[in-house]
Amino acid sequence: GAGVSQSPSNKVTEKGKDVELRCDPISGHTALYWYRQSLGQGLEFLIYFQGNSAPDKSGLPSDRFSAERTGGSVSTLTIQRTQQEDSAVYLCASSRNPGLTYEQYFGPGTRLTVT
Amino acid sequence: DQQVKQNSPSLSVQEGRISILNCDYTNSMFDYFLWYKKYPAEGPTFLISISSIKDKNEDGRFTVFLNKSAKHLSLHIVPSQPGDSAVYFCAAYNSGGSNYKLTFGKGTLLTVNP
Repeated sequence: GAGVSQSPSNKVTEKGKDVELRCDPISGHTALYWYRQSLGQGLEFLIYFQGNSAPDKSGLPSDRFSAERTGGSVSTLTIQRTQQEDSAVYLCASSRNPGLTYEQYFGPGTRLTVT
Repeated sequence: DQQVKQNSPSLSVQEGRISILNCDYTNSMFDYFLWYKKYPAEGPTFLISISSIKDKNEDGRFTVFLNKSAKHLSLHIVPSQPGDSAVYFCAAYNSGGSNYKLTFGKGTLLTVNP
């Protein structure tokens, strides 16, 4: 079946502009996660959605970052007034039943470059 | 404060030999551990996992060992193949947590030489 898809694959933007990153999780997966990987770093948790529950935003680095998940499926991560330190690969993952199964399935990521 | 540490940024081995990738963690609440493999320009793919109630899990050429008292786990690949060349991430999970997030190490780049 189809895996997690993300778009765009690459995004170059000027400092101060807003960007939107999109994630389509695996069909039937109730949980969706956003992570980011900065150069030379591991993956850093950003936000978690589970069903219709309020998202866990504890990993978002600043109030310039926000995310939504519409209809329990597609998610968009928005970064307002981008800064150079926002440059990273943004990865989306989904899982079927968090708490019962622990594997998360990742998309290919969006490489964001802020110039 | 890094809760999951992979202290070797890179490892090079010969084809056919054993690759051993190490991972240490500090948070005693972690009770499930996973290894992911990542090729350039692709997302991480799940490789193998282990629950804290076990000390070994094997899947084909891949074996993960867990030493809870030392807060240490390792991934063994035998025999190593050139296609195994990738970045390997160790990740940990607290099943009692509120968000089921994975906490990742920084990764180890494995190069298997023909």
